[in-house]
Amino acid sequence: SAVISQKPSRDICQRGTSLTIQCQVDSQVTMMFWYRQQPGQSLTLIATANQGSEATYESGFVIDKFPISRPNLTFSTLTVSNMSPEDSSIYLCSAADGGLGRPQHFGDGTRLSIL
Amino acid sequence: AQRVTQPEKLLSVFKGAPVELKCNYSYSGSPELFWYVQYSRQRLQLLLRHISRESIKGFTADLNKGETSFHLKKPFAQEEDSAMYYCALKERSSGSARQLTFGSGTQLTVLP
Repeated sequence: SAVISQKPSRDICQRGTSLTIQCQVDSQVTMMFWYRQQPGQSLTLIATANQGSEATYESGFVIDKFPISRPNLTFSTLTVSNMSPEDSSIYLCSAADGGLGRPQHFGDGTRLSIL
Repeated sequence: AQRVTQPEKLLSVFKGAPVELKCNYSYSGSPELFWYVQYSRQRLQLLLRHISRESIKGFTADLNKGETSFHLKKPFAQEEDSAMYYCALKERSSGSARQLTFGSGTQLTVLP
């Protein structure tokens, strides 16, 4: 199964600043996703990171707030822009290969706190 | 749209007792169902998937299409089973993979 590394693992940021989270997979994968897990909540999909094209965002998430890059099949970044305390959350990168029964694997997550 | 419901936010059982974590789903097509587990301070990891019909760490889960359920069961709970459990659904279709939709999770505590 794919091994997913995320960095930073945690950060404390000032209101109004932006932070870019990096996600590296140890093998080429078809699909990469970004999730958010707010305190005490389940995982919510932010977007699907598409290699070589714009990410596909879920309802309630927009590119201006969460720009995503995916330059190749093993790497993606998520930027949290103009942060506010409501953005305090764990951000998770996930990767999967296509095909039936193929599970998604997750990174350790980035714990983000905004002051 | 698909939806996954885990009615129990918290569940406590004694060591050696049977445990069942409930999961119900709504989806118009034929879904793939998964159980993920997150132990304290560890990453989210796959526990089992319905398509494999496997038993992992003594856990099993059967997809009941009539009841649209995918409950997770273990006959004899162990203290090391204490964790957060998430049921998840993925659209089952040919072609590219789809993202997972997660339930709200059940925190299982196995008491000594």
